[in-house]
Amino acid sequence: DTGVSQDPRHKITKRGQNVTFRCDPISEHNRLYWYRQTLGQGPEFLTYFQNEAQLEKSRLLSDRFSAERPKGSFSTLEIQRTEQGDSAMYLCASSLGETGPLRAKNIQYFGAGTRLSVL
Amino acid sequence: KQEVTQIPAALSVPEGENLVLNCSFTDSAIYNLQWFRQDPGKGLTSLLLIQSSQREQTSGRLNASLDKSSGRSTLYIAASQPGDSATYLCAVPNNNNDMRFGAGTRLTVKP
Repeated sequence: DTGVSQDPRHKITKRGQNVTFRCDPISEHNRLYWYRQTLGQGPEFLTYFQNEAQLEKSRLLSDRFSAERPKGSFSTLEIQRTEQGDSAMYLCASSLGETGPLRAKNIQYFGAGTRLSVL
Repeated sequence: KQEVTQIPAALSVPEGENLVLNCSFTDSAIYNLQWFRQDPGKGLTSLLLIQSSQREQTSGRLNASLDKSSGRSTLYIAASQPGDSATYLCAVPNNNNDMRFGAGTRLTVKP
């Protein structure tokens, strides 16, 4: 396995257009996370999935954003009616999602990200 | 709500120097802390994970320490090299789900 894959690497779009990003996690990982990172800041959590279930969404995830993980494998993040403020790096991560005493060993592995520029 | 702060925001050193990057967090009830490296325009590479029961972790020239009670972690880089130039991020779990990141320290090692 080559790690977490994200596609595309770069996306340039005009304001008002819809965009969709894809993330393929490490195959045995049951948890998948989406983060957004703006210039000069650390990543900020958007949402996460346990298998196909979306279990948590942050307040950053406005109603223009939707994420899916239909078969518990790859995930898509769609942004509708893009705005200039959506310009950022969108990062995907996956983990084994250990619980209980093993959760201390949870490591999130990140993809290379999709850089979105909204003109 | 967990808040993570990294100091300094930027650091420039000559090659060969030993250096320390600092990370502080507000809620000491964490079960691990991770240090990541990020090259410009790239994703994150995990460098070290320290479990809450541990005081430090070492990988090559990198050593990370954790003091939960004071809400601090340090990343020590020995004998820095130009290839170490990158942004270093620390992160702690906010709950069992997401991670909270600092804004990072942008390191430049000059030849």
